[in-house]
Amino acid sequence: GAVVSQHPSRVICKSGTSVKIECRSLDFQATTMFWYRQFPKQSLMLMATSNEGSKATYEQGVEKDKFLINHASLTLSTLTVTSAHPEDSSFYICSARFPGSSGANVLTFGAGSRLTVL
Amino acid sequence: ELKVEQNPLFLSMQEGKNYTIYCNYSTTSDRLYWYRQDPGKSLESLFVLLSNGAVKQEGRLMASLDTKARLSTLHITAAVHDLSATYFCAVDKAGNEKLTFGTGTRLTIIP
Repeated sequence: GAVVSQHPSRVICKSGTSVKIECRSLDFQATTMFWYRQFPKQSLMLMATSNEGSKATYEQGVEKDKFLINHASLTLSTLTVTSAHPEDSSFYICSARFPGSSGANVLTFGAGSRLTVL
Repeated sequence: ELKVEQNPLFLSMQEGKNYTIYCNYSTTSDRLYWYRQDPGKSLESLFVLLSNGAVKQEGRLMASLDTKARLSTLHITAAVHDLSATYFCAVDKAGNEKLTFGTGTRLTIIP
């Protein structure tokens, strides 16, 4: 089955530093990956769509200069939280579309990365 | 703007009982998904519903879709403790890969 590997699973950093989160599709190629953010006990909010070889598409209200997304290959997308502040503390989840036989948008999710900014 | 609402938001139920979680969405959509999330974990895909009247079952869970009513249900039969988790529905449209998630239903099964 399709596997999306996300690393690190947990990261604690000081305010003002930058943190990079990696999302890899292990056994399939993903031209598109998605980055979600989830606050405690809340739903998932789409932050951006990561497109291989081109610029990411950000959702309204998401600061593109704070959340840098790079999709340099068909199996890797990275999210860098720049100059992190405590309000950036959250659970970040990536996902990739694995082609389903039914044609449905079968998203496979990474394990998530819990970011804590002190 | 597509909105997806779930009802109830919180549900405590005794083992062995049956219950239904409801998912309403605001505009026409082509596909409806159900996911499970355990505390501190990522999402596990449960069901993909593609057409009006679709019904899928896996173990004690059964999902159905009524596109005319813009409603999906997740029915739990004879609940067991292992089903305790948060359940999300999500919708999208063909040609648009972005999923919009529901508010989530936190299910707690009490022995």
